[in-house]
Amino acid sequence: RKEVEQDPGPFNVPEGATVAFNCTYSNSASQSFFWYRQDCRKEPKLLMSVYSSGNEDGRFTAQLNRASQYISLLIRDSKLSDSATYLCVVNEGFQKLVFGTGTRLLVSP
Amino acid sequence: NAGVMQNPRHLVRRRGQEARLRCSPMKGHSHVYWYRQLPEEGLKFMVYLQKENIIDESGMPKERFSAEFPKEGPSILRIQQVVRGDSAAYFCASSPTPTGLAGVGSSTDTQYFGPGTRLTVL
Repeated sequence: RKEVEQDPGPFNVPEGATVAFNCTYSNSASQSFFWYRQDCRKEPKLLMSVYSSGNEDGRFTAQLNRASQYISLLIRDSKLSDSATYLCVVNEGFQKLVFGTGTRLLVSP
Repeated sequence: NAGVMQNPRHLVRRRGQEARLRCSPMKGHSHVYWYRQLPEEGLKFMVYLQKENIIDESGMPKERFSAEFPKEGPSILRIQQVVRGDSAAYFCASSPTPTGLAGVGSSTDTQYFGPGTRLTVL
């Protein structure tokens, strides 16, 4: 079983749509959680941290369910510029990030 | 405040040559991490270093790969006798504190990535 699992997609959505990505992690001792965004052939960039209480940043909402070891990202009112690969990332507490393979999003006009 | 710097951005080597990848962390960051991304795969942790110390090298291949972060100058990832399977993007990240210890929600509890070095082995 992979440490961090994501649906690779691609998710093809029209502009303005709402889209949700899910991620599961295997290590119950994991301490912190993130969503990163990676554009083609570029470095990963932090999108947002994920908290148990849920957190929102503009059109983006992240949720963490520790009991189910499940993380989600919701994007509302999708823009063309949201097209990218979204990486679910877990910090297991040993100073190294464990990355999922990413979910690819394609937003079309 | 400049971000994480990596050079070269692109590196081409023939099989058997050596590759040296450099990483300068963000100003004020003393923790450096190296990751490798093979084509069509996710990033994989390789090594975590502080100044003059290797803290965790559990992700480093046992042979041909080494890393250092000297007191002065950038962190170096060195690959000896490269093979075609070494072709990948190598990303460096830095943080001001060891990530995972600063507390969830802390602005320091994450890593910031450089633009990467794309290594091609012919």
